[in-house]
Amino acid sequence: NAGVTQTPKFRILKIGQSMTLQCTQDMNHNYMYWYRQDPGMGLKLIYYSVGAGITDKGEVPNGYNVSRSTTEDFPLRLELAAPSQTSVYFCASSTRTVQPQHFGDGTRLSIL
Amino acid sequence: QQQVKQSPQSLIVQKGGISIINCAYENTAFDYFPWYQQFPGKGPALLIAIRPDVSEKKEGRFTISFNKSAKQFSLHIMDSQPGDSATYFCAAIVGGSEKLVFGKGTKLTVNP
Repeated sequence: NAGVTQTPKFRILKIGQSMTLQCTQDMNHNYMYWYRQDPGMGLKLIYYSVGAGITDKGEVPNGYNVSRSTTEDFPLRLELAAPSQTSVYFCASSTRTVQPQHFGDGTRLSIL
Repeated sequence: QQQVKQSPQSLIVQKGGISIINCAYENTAFDYFPWYQQFPGKGPALLIAIRPDVSEKKEGRFTISFNKSAKQFSLHIMDSQPGDSATYFCAAIVGGSEKLVFGKGTKLTVNP
């Protein structure tokens, strides 16, 4: 029972590089989310998806892109990495009837 | 503008004591209030949740108290144990929205 799986767990990027954070869930949840967590700041929603082919912006979407081609996968793309994007990124999923979300263990990203 | 204000930032409790974490909100459209527990290096995990038509909800040693008129809710951890040492987040969401709003978190340390 894997739940929500995020890869990689750690990554260091140089300014201006791009990368994709992977997220996959095996619970057949329609709803998936990307959050970032900065020290002392709680979690902020970047993007979310209510089903395959449907995505929408959250609170802090600038500098990120997402796609949702399948129910299982919800990758997050950083096109031009900036130091302000240094953070811990969490992917989450949920069913429609259970609003609280199941979280992955995060990707720790540093941009230098 | 912080929609959910959480206090204290950190809390130290002796084993067997009661841990109390408080949250306040302004948006009266919020209609679901979950609490999450996060251990170092892990994603948040749902602990307990409440809707505003209920004044209290208890699950084992964890209790949420809800005061709708004051727009406040709190988490009580009875008989606190060292294994409860973690960061706790309150959150809130408007019905029909997918945008969960988090407090900034409380780091709880339970001394043996």
